[in-house]
Amino acid sequence: QVRLQQWGAGLLKPSETLSLTCAVSGASFNSGYYWTWIRQPPGKGLEWIGEMNQSGGTNYKSSLKSRLTISVDTSKSHFSLTLTSVTAADTAVYFCAGGYYDNILTIYYPFDYWGHGTLVTVSS
Amino acid sequence: DIVMTQSPDSLAVSLGERATFNCKSSQSVFHSSRYRDYLAWYQQKPGQPPKLLISWASTRESGVPDRFSGSGSGTDFSLTISSLQAEDVAVYYCQQYYTSPRTFGQGTKVEIK
Repeated sequence: QVRLQQWGAGLLKPSETLSLTCAVSGASFNSGYYWTWIRQPPGKGLEWIGEMNQSGGTNYKSSLKSRLTISVDTSKSHFSLTLTSVTAADTAVYFCAGGYYDNILTIYYPFDYWGHGTLVTVSS
Repeated sequence: DIVMTQSPDSLAVSLGERATFNCKSSQSVFHSSRYRDYLAWYQQKPGQPPKLLISWASTRESGVPDRFSGSGSGTDFSLTISSLQAEDVAVYYCQQYYTSPRTFGQGTKVEIK
């Protein structure tokens, strides 16, 4: 049973840095999966913001690329999100998620596994 | 980026009745060499993360009731709940995972009439 547990600061001031971490258990962290961050502003829909594959390659939402970093600590089976210079527009519930990746056939699967979500509020 | 557009934004259906809602992608998410549509449907209830219901446009995930069915190919897709139950009240999102960014539709909110 794959489980994602996430944590991080929930209240930030404008211009501060958002940092969230997601711990993966029950799966081979660096083989067969890719890991993703998704956010959801209050009362709104889901927004994909970035992903990291098992080779360490990353893809980011273009509008966030200059402020966003997704990194991994394979020794701890953690992956992390860092978003710099936050504004009120970054207020959202942030989810970590994972999907299976077949690296032989290069097939991405949808997101089977989700963290519980972390509400991050940016307010002065 | 592939834009996903869902319709309608909300839908009210009587218990036991059929609910059908749609998702359109701005370009095809059909992978010709894999012969699959890279389209998923998720269900999200308040205060919970989304739950994957359907992958590859029409494949139900393990444990998903068979009243949920997905259809379509290329750019046009649908999710049908054949007999709406009270526990199906939720927001439903489509998502393409064909390419990055793996975009979501804006969601369809399903309520009881």
